[in-house]
Amino acid sequence: EIVLTQSPGTLSLSPGERATLSCRASQSVSSSYLAWYQQKPGQAPRLLIYGASSRATGIPDRFSGSGSGTDFTLTISRLEPEDFAVYYCQQYGTSLGYTFGQGTKLEIK
Amino acid sequence: QITLKESGPTVVKPTQTLTLTCTFSGFSLSTTKVGVGWIRQPPGKALEWLALIYWDDDQRYSPSLKSRVTITKDTSKNQVVLTMTNLDPVDTGTYYCAHKIPIAAAFDYWGQGTLVTVSS
Repeated sequence: EIVLTQSPGTLSLSPGERATLSCRASQSVSSSYLAWYQQKPGQAPRLLIYGASSRATGIPDRFSGSGSGTDFTLTISRLEPEDFAVYYCQQYGTSLGYTFGQGTKLEIK
Repeated sequence: QITLKESGPTVVKPTQTLTLTCTFSGFSLSTTKVGVGWIRQPPGKALEWLALIYWDDDQRYSPSLKSRVTITKDTSKNQVVLTMTNLDPVDTGTYYCAHKIPIAAAFDYWGQGTLVTVSS
């Protein structure tokens, strides 16, 4: 089983700052199969990034994804008030299906 | 546009079987590479993938839940059904269905979710 570990657990930043969220896999993951989601309280997750670095439809370009192998990063270049939420990474493996990380909470400092 | 909506019981007793229906619009499950999945989220916890069904009826399951979960589709009704047996209080949570992007291993459209509580 591939375990995704996200860090930090909570990130406290101010609007306008840059956010860097990490997702580390216990085994190598194909970049094609790594995605990031944003979830706000009481809402369903929203797809931000798929294929490690491709933005989903309608996602602002301040969101970017990078990484390969076991280390992946979601970067938000300049935080807007609406970006404060919980972020999840997700991977897919042909034999084990989909797994999600435990999430990073991005909160206003 | 693509929409999905989950429906089913809000409370289920331990050991009972849960049946949830996902009714969708804006796409067809008979189109090549289309898939619909189920993901759940216990209160205050992370997301957990449960199952996925493809346009060709290929079914994939979470290894940890495979013995308890079944996913089926009714293409004519635009519905996907999830069945989970032998429920336990730890199965309490919000259950989402979601459309899988045909070109990637990710879910781009999600239902609003339905909260299922397992309690006697």
